[in-house]
Amino acid sequence: GAGVSQSPSNKVTEKGKDVELRCDPISGHTALYWYRQSLGQGLEFLIYFQGNSAPDKSGLPSDRFSAERTGGSVSTLTIQRTQQEDSAVYLCASSPGGGNNQPQHFGDGTRLSIL
Amino acid sequence: DQQVKQNSPSLSVQEGRISILNCDYTNSMFDYFLWYKKYPAEGPTFLISISSIKDKNEDGRFTVFLNKSAKHLSLHIVPSQPGDSAVYFCAAKGETSYDKVIFGPGTSLSVIP
Repeated sequence: GAGVSQSPSNKVTEKGKDVELRCDPISGHTALYWYRQSLGQGLEFLIYFQGNSAPDKSGLPSDRFSAERTGGSVSTLTIQRTQQEDSAVYLCASSPGGGNNQPQHFGDGTRLSIL
Repeated sequence: DQQVKQNSPSLSVQEGRISILNCDYTNSMFDYFLWYKKYPAEGPTFLISISSIKDKNEDGRFTVFLNKSAKHLSLHIVPSQPGDSAVYFCAAKGETSYDKVIFGPGTSLSVIP
């Protein structure tokens, strides 16, 4: 389809392992966001990519979290040495970006469970 | 420090009645406001937005009102339908394309048949 695609949809891993979450944004969208939603909580901003600008990493909770966006398209969120408190749904969104306000389109998320 | 607040975690409304979801924000630089709806196990979907130059935007059963002086916006759904039962997120961003979108914690709406 033409929507935002995230993989895997579910990931279960042991504490201390590294995980990689992938996001394929809508083609042509220059803005890409990562959020996470912990159980019973709202959407917590993690990181924002806009075109070729330096990403806004102000929401990353620790240095165990990092994200890349290669070629201005696909993005990977990496969590190193996972902890149980990292368990959450990780949501990716993209928008056309540019000078006009446009709503974000979200993927269905990756549900991450740390044992 | 939460910049976008939704002080009601949940709301129950009878089918056919009006649902009013409230949102407050603290950052006076916010220029554009959005409402999203989220069903379980799905990503949020965009519902309606409003620019700070307006005080009202209407789309079918959904109307968003913005009171800039009070830093308050609300989403009205009328008439409410059981399919409207979902979590509703208020979101805000600044005026430039480099400003990120900040979400509130959400309000869970239950529409009772």
